[in-house]
Amino acid sequence: EAEVAQSPRYKITEKSQAVAFWCDPISGHATLYWYRQILGQGPELLVQFQDESVVDDSQLPKDRFSAERLKGVDSTLKIQPAELGDSAMYLCASSPFSSEPYEQYFGPGTRLTVT
Amino acid sequence: EDKVVQSPLSLVVHEGDTVTLNCSYEVTNFRSLLWYKQEKKAPTFLFMLTSSGIEKKSGRLSSILDKKELSSILNITATQTGDSAIYLCAVEGAQKLVFGQGTRLTINP
Repeated sequence: EAEVAQSPRYKITEKSQAVAFWCDPISGHATLYWYRQILGQGPELLVQFQDESVVDDSQLPKDRFSAERLKGVDSTLKIQPAELGDSAMYLCASSPFSSEPYEQYFGPGTRLTVT
Repeated sequence: EDKVVQSPLSLVVHEGDTVTLNCSYEVTNFRSLLWYKQEKKAPTFLFMLTSSGIEKKSGRLSSILDKKELSSILNITATQTGDSAIYLCAVEGAQKLVFGQGTRLTINP
């Protein structure tokens, strides 16, 4: 069964360092999402891509976060510099279309700890 | 601003009990409501609801949407310890999913 892949699964970094997360969506899925889930809360959308274009990045802290999906397939989310409050689970999800109410398929997530 | 609120935030019951989890929402351009189960990793999809009053069922789990009341419930009958998880409700509006904070369900043997 096709799955969303993410790496690394766990990352510990010191504050002010740079970190990057990678996501490979299910093959053929045009829409890719990055979420941040702080412990005890539901996932919060950071950025949504339709193919290689950003559809929504209104909640992305653009002073330190960046995301790209250059060829419309896999994607990278970067944080520079990391802050203590960035400690969270970063989830990637994909769906076949953005114009229909399709369920999103989630990857295993990257758990980030900033010390 | 779109908003999804779940209740209760936490629930502890004994194996075999029946539980009802609630989700209410305020979303512009409502398209669908989804339920996910999360066990220490990524959320796994349970149900998608788009029409009011039509129950969706999968084994011991069932869910129904009430568009008039802007809410949904998730029922789990004959609970098992494996049902222990965080249950997330999400509503799709304007091509974006907005999640609630989740209900942490603990099933004691």
